[in-house]
Amino acid sequence: EVQLSESGGGLVQPGGSLRLSCAASGFTFSSNVMSWVRQAPGKGLEWVSGISGNGGSTFYADSVKGRFTMSRDNSKSMLYLQMNSLRAEDTAVYYCAKHIKWLDDPFDIWGQGTMVTVSS
Amino acid sequence: DIQMTQSPSTLSASVGDRVTITCRASQSISSWLAWYQQKPGKAPKLLIYKASSLESGVPSRFSGSGSGTEFTLTISSLQPDDFATYYCQQYNSYSWTFGQGTKVKI
Repeated sequence: EVQLSESGGGLVQPGGSLRLSCAASGFTFSSNVMSWVRQAPGKGLEWVSGISGNGGSTFYADSVKGRFTMSRDNSKSMLYLQMNSLRAEDTAVYYCAKHIKWLDDPFDIWGQGTMVTVSS
Repeated sequence: DIQMTQSPSTLSASVGDRVTITCRASQSISSWLAWYQQKPGKAPKLLIYKASSLESGVPSRFSGSGSGTEFTLTISSLQPDDFATYYCQQYNSYSWTFGQGTKVKI
């Protein structure tokens, strides 16, 4: 069964850092582009970042560029999101999502999400 | 960035109704449009990709159409399990954007 499972969320103070992880199983992880998508409480979906299969190319939304770094470890089928200089507006459920295959594909598999709360 | 605008924001309907949701892109995205269904506390689920292709396992009462800047999601006969929020998403550029969502309620 194809599965994604996020971890690492929690409460952090403004200006702080947090690292999210996403464990993938049931598919050839290194062959798939992956993304992070977030959803603030009661709001819509916002794409955050994406990464190519080999990790050589990364893409970021303007709202997180320069603060967030996405990476992957294909040997462990793991995806990461390092979040620095966190702001209140980064409070959201963070989902990792698998593209069908390529960058120009939508997301066919999503994790259950991990909650990040930025508050003092 | 390409902006996606859905209408309506909320839709009241009954079981058996035909329901149509519209999504407009701020510039042409060809057919690079997907539709997702999301229920409270759950992750989104892919329904339609490439504007009109039905994802495997999705009931045939769901259909999509359109190209360029205007797209529609149609549910031919609304079922109790379909009450949810629906999002369109463009994947034409490497900055994927979603519509604001349409909540379908009783």
